Amino acid sequence: GQQLNQSPQSMFIQEGEDVSMNCTSSSIFNTWLWYKQDPGEGPVLLIALYKAGELTSNGRLTAQFGITRKDSFLNISASIPSDVGIYFCANFGNEKLTFGTGTRLTIIP
Amino acid sequence: DAGVIQSPRHEVTEMGQEVTLRCKPISGHNSLFWYRQTMMRGLELLIYFNNNVPIDDSGMPEDRFSAKMPNASFSTLKIQPSEPRDSAVYFCASSFRRGTNTGELFFGEGSRLTVL
Repeated sequence: GQQLNQSPQSMFIQEGEDVSMNCTSSSIFNTWLWYKQDPGEGPVLLIALYKAGELTSNGRLTAQFGITRKDSFLNISASIPSDVGIYFCANFGNEKLTFGTGTRLTIIP
Repeated sequence: DAGVIQSPRHEVTEMGQEVTLRCKPISGHNSLFWYRQTMMRGLELLIYFNNNVPIDDSGMPEDRFSAKMPNASFSTLKIQPSEPRDSAVYFCASSFRRGTNTGELFFGEGSRLTVL
């Protein structure tokens, strides 16, 4: 079945640092989405990408839909304490939203 | 605006007991999804409905699991009998589907189930 592999699995950074994470798939997709899950909450959509090569920003977040349509990247600039959580890539195929393995972000005081 | 509402938030039960999780989707949404989250398997889709009709239940682990959506504003996920390996956080999500789904789902806060 479809697999979405995210890296890194976890990150420990200091406040103010930039963050980069990525997601790769064994299949080609037409949609990439990035969700964030805060502790004790459900995932919340951050950014949606619908076109190969698309680069989209949402405040300090920037995501790109890879040209090969098999990968996507998420960058967070100037991290702040509320950025902690788990970031999931996801894509939509056959009416199903499949999630990646997640990247857990921890900010060191 | 009210989001997706799930109940109970936490449930602790003993093996063999019946468990019923409830979900109220966002008003006007016509697709509803049930996911399960565990450390080992991450977020897994169990079943989803379009216009109250189950479309794909291939993610339901076994016959002990069942889901219903009697109307547009209510869905249940039932486990009978429950087993310790069912312990997980169960999420309900909804979306508005026009033509095809876009993947923009709105999740509830989840129901954390512990089966002893």
